Amino acid sequence: NAGVTQTPKFRVLKTGQSMTLLCAQDMNHEYMYWYRQDPGMGLRLIHYSVGEGTTAKGEVPDGYNVSRLKKQNFLLGLESAAPSQTSVYFCASSYRGSREQYFGPGTRLTVT
Amino acid sequence: AQSVTQPDIHITVSEGASLELRCNYSYGATPYLFWYVQSPGQGLQLLLKYFSGDTLVQGIKGFEAEFKRSQSSFNLRKPSVHWSDAAEYFCAEQHGSSNTGKLIFGQGTTLQVKP
Repeated sequence: NAGVTQTPKFRVLKTGQSMTLLCAQDMNHEYMYWYRQDPGMGLRLIHYSVGEGTTAKGEVPDGYNVSRLKKQNFLLGLESAAPSQTSVYFCASSYRGSREQYFGPGTRLTVT
Repeated sequence: AQSVTQPDIHITVSEGASLELRCNYSYGATPYLFWYVQSPGQGLQLLLKYFSGDTLVQGIKGFEAEFKRSQSSFNLRKPSVHWSDAAEYFCAEQHGSSNTGKLIFGQGTTLQVKP
């Protein structure tokens, strides 16, 4: 049981490049979340999903897109990366109604 | 807007000393409150949570937290800190009426432990 995994662990992008971050969970959780962590700002919700095929915006959605084609996967895309998107990205998942979220190890992204 | 405040950005304590990390929440109705810990380079681990009932909750690693509605606070405590407790600590809140499970995090408090 791997829990929540994230791919890749580290990435460096140039401004304007695109990439996709993958989050996978093997706990059959309905809900999945993408957060970004920046110094002094805690974690802020980017997008979330309450089920396969559904997504919704969080607190800081601009510049990101997401997809949830399979229940176990939640993809975060950056179409045209900007230096302001340099951050550590965390994925989390939870059962519907559980309220407890399980976090992945994070992806450190640097945009130059 | 809903917010969580951790007034102390950085705290240094000596090993063996007691610890209290402060957290204030803004949601007026029944909040669901959490404390997470993040060791360097790691993800977040849940220390404890409060949903209802006894206002003093016990967590893992010897931590406890007390919910005080009158002060809108949920402070984290440990009677004797160990060097391995050095980490960043996050308080988080969830609406009691939320059906999406969204968490609102505080800014985090970095704990340094002196030998």
